[in-house]
Amino acid sequence: ETGVTQSPTHLIKTRGQQVTLRCSSQSGHNTVSWYQQALGQGPQFIFQYYREEENGRGNFPPRFSGLQFPNYSSELNVNALELDDSALYLCASSFSGGAHYEQYFGPGTRLTVT
Amino acid sequence: GESVGLHLPTLSVQEGDNSIINCAYSNSASDYFIWYKQESGKGPQFIIDIRSNMDKRQGQRVTVLLNKTVKHLSLQIAATQPGDSAVYFCAEEPQGAQKLVFGQGTRLTINP
Repeated sequence: ETGVTQSPTHLIKTRGQQVTLRCSSQSGHNTVSWYQQALGQGPQFIFQYYREEENGRGNFPPRFSGLQFPNYSSELNVNALELDDSALYLCASSFSGGAHYEQYFGPGTRLTVT
Repeated sequence: GESVGLHLPTLSVQEGDNSIINCAYSNSASDYFIWYKQESGKGPQFIIDIRSNMDKRQGQRVTVLLNKTVKHLSLQIAATQPGDSAVYFCAEEPQGAQKLVFGQGTRLTINP
């Protein structure tokens, strides 16, 4: 088990609604990355936050946004939900202090959009 | 490369045998690679990593091999156990990019 926690565990929303997912990073880590994992596929990078700013973004529309707080925890916000947003949303924390860094994943939030 | 499709490749092995899971990565500029194990209902769990200046790295019961010439990565699991049943993903970190790019994944099932 990593020290990364996510909430809620499961969530059901209606198309057009907005959702906020939360992540607490592992102790000693200063970077949080968010991934979307559709059923049967590998995780897809959404974006990363370091020092409370976005530090890299994948191929996701602006309705996917995030925040990082001074304690390094993070939120993922998705506006105007679409059916295709149904997926497992994973948060990964790491320490950006060297050339490469291991990313440790939380258990994920399962989002279902109906 | 990026994951596509809903049908994961599957590898079935006998308990106690060695397992070899293969992965082709997409970016020749990637310089860091990781293998993750994902059990049902859980997030990916770090297994082992390797940097591009190496071609082999060993851990406990696992070995990762990197062939940069053909952009191929493999994970070898020795003496496979029932607890090894999971989906295994390789991931690459393109140089200078602050993200991981995951492969398609392979489902490993263990036969008693």
